[in-house]
Amino acid sequence: DAGITQSPRHKVTETGTPVTLRCHQTENHRYMYWYRQDPGHGLRLIHYSYGVKDTDKGEVSDGYSVSRSKTEDFLLTLESATSSQTSVYFCAIASGGQETQYFGPGTRLLVL
Amino acid sequence: AQSVTQLGSHVSVSEGALVLLRCNYSSSVPPYLFWYVQYPNQGLQLLLKYTTGATLVKGINGFEAEFKKSETSFHLTKPSAHMSDAAEYFCAAGGYQKVTFGIGTKLQVIP
Repeated sequence: DAGITQSPRHKVTETGTPVTLRCHQTENHRYMYWYRQDPGHGLRLIHYSYGVKDTDKGEVSDGYSVSRSKTEDFLLTLESATSSQTSVYFCAIASGGQETQYFGPGTRLLVL
Repeated sequence: AQSVTQLGSHVSVSEGALVLLRCNYSSSVPPYLFWYVQYPNQGLQLLLKYTTGATLVKGINGFEAEFKKSETSFHLTKPSAHMSDAAEYFCAAGGYQKVTFGIGTKLQVIP
């Protein structure tokens, strides 16, 4: 299995609070991605990174920000959590932009 | 922008029957194509991948998929379903730097 961990694995928070999710890899892969998974929508890309300090928006980036200060860590921040951000969040890594993506175990986030 | 369409959000088959999960993509150039599987409460795992070359791609667990450029399709098949195949399957198309996923198909295998 690819060395990808996500923390926390489960989180309950209240509307309006900031939340940060962490993705950590031990594979030294260049690309890292954050997705959210919701019933009926599949996986939707939030943000991705193609190198340290190099990030770009995905299709559902509003209300989210990311940072990548080291190759191994990619942080996703919900600046002010809303109930619509209740979801399962997956991190993925890849050695190249068109290469196979390897997924972490996911983080279940509930915003009350 | 690429799009991926998976026909049928739920598919049921009997154990031992043929599994056919449909995927069509929209792209101006043939993209890289993937099938991933997700078991409950887990992340996605790669089943198989098409890049270039042979259009029939074999993956893990007896699955295979055929790239048909003329039909812009990449359907997933398995000759004989097993109970352990019950999961959600995602088709994806890779472009420059990122991948677009379909909404997924949940496969139910009936004993």
